[in-house]
Amino acid sequence: EAGVAQSPRYKIIEKRQSVAFWCNPISGHATLYWYQQILGQGPKLLIQFQNNGVVDDSQLPKDRFSAERLKGVDSTLKIQPAKLEDSAVYLCASSSRGGYTFGSGTRLTVV
Amino acid sequence: AQSVTQLGSHVSVSEGALVLLRCNYSSSVPPYLFWYVQYPNQGLQLLLKYTTGATLVKGINGFEAEFKKSETSFHLTKPSAHMSDAAEYFCAVLSSYKLIFGSGTRLLVRP
Repeated sequence: EAGVAQSPRYKIIEKRQSVAFWCNPISGHATLYWYQQILGQGPKLLIQFQNNGVVDDSQLPKDRFSAERLKGVDSTLKIQPAKLEDSAVYLCASSSRGGYTFGSGTRLTVV
Repeated sequence: AQSVTQLGSHVSVSEGALVLLRCNYSSSVPPYLFWYVQYPNQGLQLLLKYTTGATLVKGINGFEAEFKKSETSFHLTKPSAHMSDAAEYFCAVLSSYKLIFGSGTRLLVRP
């Protein structure tokens, strides 16, 4: 089975610019997650989708971050405007029946 | 709220020596616990998980972990370290269908 696909792998932007990340989960996985992993820390959940609905976005900085999962399949995470502290790896994961699969992540550097 | 604490941000062992990575959890209900490994510039790979049943869980690459309710612990062990085990290891607990991660332990293996 194909894994969780994420793009791009790397992105460098200047502060105050906008950026978007894309995730395509494993086919049939209803639940999709976005995590933020700052260097030296564990992944922190940003948002959880069930199909195309948001289950939990309590940790998402909504003044600058947004995410959508149209049609309940792939998802995009956007940051606008970016700050230096947004530099991190953004991991996407999908789950089904208790199994969780992670993508390779997008490494964002804000300069 | 459920959480995990990983003791020791860095652990260094000699090749062939015992690996012991510590994880303690906090949960008001019987927890589902996980260990993940992350190699540089890669996503998270599941090593093993505890749900119910046998408290000694065997995973991939020779790793195992023991769930000890009395100690609220889920430590990860491997009898003999290999150079290829050098990576970041994360303990996680399942909370409301979301994985909550510890801060991680970087394992260094000396030749």
